[in-house]
Amino acid sequence: QKEVEQNSGPLSVPEGAIASLNCTYSDRVSQSFFWYRQYSGKSPELIMSIYSNGDKEDGRFTAQLNKASQYVSLLIRDSQPSDSATYLCAVMDGANSKLTFGKGITLSVRP
Amino acid sequence: NAGVTQTPKFRILKIGQSMTLQCAQDMNHNYMYWYRQDPGMGLKLIYYSVGAGITDKGEVPNGYNVSRSTTEDFPLRLELAAPSQTSVYFCASSYSGQGDSPLHFGNGTRLTVT
Repeated sequence: QKEVEQNSGPLSVPEGAIASLNCTYSDRVSQSFFWYRQYSGKSPELIMSIYSNGDKEDGRFTAQLNKASQYVSLLIRDSQPSDSATYLCAVMDGANSKLTFGKGITLSVRP
Repeated sequence: NAGVTQTPKFRILKIGQSMTLQCAQDMNHNYMYWYRQDPGMGLKLIYYSVGAGITDKGEVPNGYNVSRSTTEDFPLRLELAAPSQTSVYFCASSYSGQGDSPLHFGNGTRLTVT
């Protein structure tokens, strides 16, 4: 059973702070890694994807991948109240086209 | 510019009833997926399809059936509804099913079985 683990939440940060969201996965052959944001009552939307070790930056978001440690993280700089949502980590292996999702972590940004 | 359309948005079923959740996409995507999301949980894959006429089980297929007669449509059938099937159901599609082809989600169907 492939597992994707996200550290327990919820996470609360003040506006302007850096929010750090972490995720570990069990399947070593995983190839593609994603972060989805889900607002309450809405469907998930893709915010970041990362495929190789290192950092990938997109605006205020940075995804970090360490395949040796089976670890992927998402940093949100200058957090805004509009970033308040549940963030889902998802992992795809190379053998099929199925995504395995973590349980998600709920982020609250305090004004 | 509809994307992935799911109907209905909400439904209440009695135990033992059956229903079909509809999903249609207009992006000519080959891959389509059905997920369920229980409160405080991530998404669990129910069934998926890599093209018309081809379907396969996901992580939690029991109690559900699917068909894919066209590229556009991927309905999910619940037979003999049970309270354990109370959940939010999301349909999604992608072009290639590979990592560089993101999932596009529908708005979800909130199902309650009582």
